[in-house]
Amino acid sequence: QLQLQESGPGLVKPSETLSLTCIVSGGSISSSSYYWGWIRQPPGKGLEWIGSIDYSGSTFYNPSLKSRVTISADTSKNQFSLRLSSVTAEDTAIYYCARSNGALVPDIWGQGTMVTVSS
Amino acid sequence: QSALTQPASVSGSPGQSITISCTGTSSDVGGYNYVSWYQQHPGKAPQLMIYEVSNRPSGVSNRFSGSKSGNTASLTISGLQAEDEADYYCSSYTSSTTLVFGGGTKLTVL
Repeated sequence: QLQLQESGPGLVKPSETLSLTCIVSGGSISSSSYYWGWIRQPPGKGLEWIGSIDYSGSTFYNPSLKSRVTISADTSKNQFSLRLSSVTAEDTAIYYCARSNGALVPDIWGQGTMVTVSS
Repeated sequence: QSALTQPASVSGSPGQSITISCTGTSSDVGGYNYVSWYQQHPGKAPQLMIYEVSNRPSGVSNRFSGSKSGNTASLTISGLQAEDEADYYCSSYTSSTTLVFGGGTKLTVL
């Protein structure tokens, strides 16, 4: 059974870079059938798609975040990562990693990890 | 990209049916049969309920159904149960090879 688990600091200072990793078990991120991505949810608000990466390393980003986001994958460790630079308080959110199908639809989600941006 | 438009809240009594709408543009909802719906209970990760407009993943109750007309997609829940009380989000693939979510709808079971 495929499982995803986010890991990373729960507190990041303004202007610094947020870094999270999603560890995948029960399946390979090298599969050509799926994308692997990130979605976030500010406290009390809705979902926002951040971006995805496919098996070949091609990336797809939300235009509103594209200048600050990098998603990468490490197939040897079966994990993928998110880096979001120059963070502000508006980046405070629960960050979810997810497997997505060919239409970028997240079908299996991690439990989410809360990241707070504060000095 | 602009978020898809959903009503902020809907409500219904047990046993009734409710419908949640999700309105986009010809560049997302209207242009592709890649509309999905998610259910999110408080403190939990979202769960995929409908994909490709009207398909249910394995294990999802057939009380949940989806449809689309033009730039508006809809989620219908029939035989409403207390456990259906949750937030619901739609999403759509877009012409820019991105994914866009709706703002979310809070379903209250009276």
